[in-house]
Amino acid sequence: QKEVEQDPGPLSVPEGAIVSLNCTYSNSAFQYFMWYRQYSRKGPELLMYTYSSGNKEDGRFTAQVDKSSKYISLFIRDSQPSDSATYLCAMNEGTDKLIFGTGTRLQVFP
Amino acid sequence: KAGVTQTPRYLIKTRGQQVTLSCSPISGHRSVSWYQQTPGQGLQFLFEYFSETQRNKGNFPGRFSGRQFSNSRSEMNVSTLELGDSALYLCASSVEGTKPQHFGDGTRLSIL
Repeated sequence: QKEVEQDPGPLSVPEGAIVSLNCTYSNSAFQYFMWYRQYSRKGPELLMYTYSSGNKEDGRFTAQVDKSSKYISLFIRDSQPSDSATYLCAMNEGTDKLIFGTGTRLQVFP
Repeated sequence: KAGVTQTPRYLIKTRGQQVTLSCSPISGHRSVSWYQQTPGQGLQFLFEYFSETQRNKGNFPGRFSGRQFSNSRSEMNVSTLELGDSALYLCASSVEGTKPQHFGDGTRLSIL
């Protein structure tokens, strides 16, 4: 079993929809949680960075961490075609060794 | 502020050869990490360097090695290339372990 599980999708939604992306994990020592967006032929781009449990909002993006359930989420409001990409969750124990989910491919159609 | 720069962007090699990839971190970042990305395994951690010292290492064979220079630039070397080494190799930099990592666009390595 992988340390971090993420549904690979693809997830296809209409423009303007609210998108929910999720990851579960098994290592209770994880403290820092990240969401990256990766476009084709590009490197991962950091979207959200949170420490421990709670919510964090940045524009159209909201990240949630529930350490008791070992579950993290990323919500995208008012989704746009430009949001079409692969979304990767990542986490670590406070070192530079990031453990990634497999990524969820999102397509937002006009 | 310039981002993480990786060179070259594309490489084609044959089995048995060796290859060196280069990474220039964001100015002021002292930690450089390397990852391998493949369709089957996703992103996997290779190793991390901080102030010219390897601090963390992933579960890869000894054919994969790296180093970091005094200006924080890093190189990764793969010897005796195998077909399974075909992947996107990504470099990420951060100020230090608890801070977020920022990635370059990677070097796509193809082994024939």
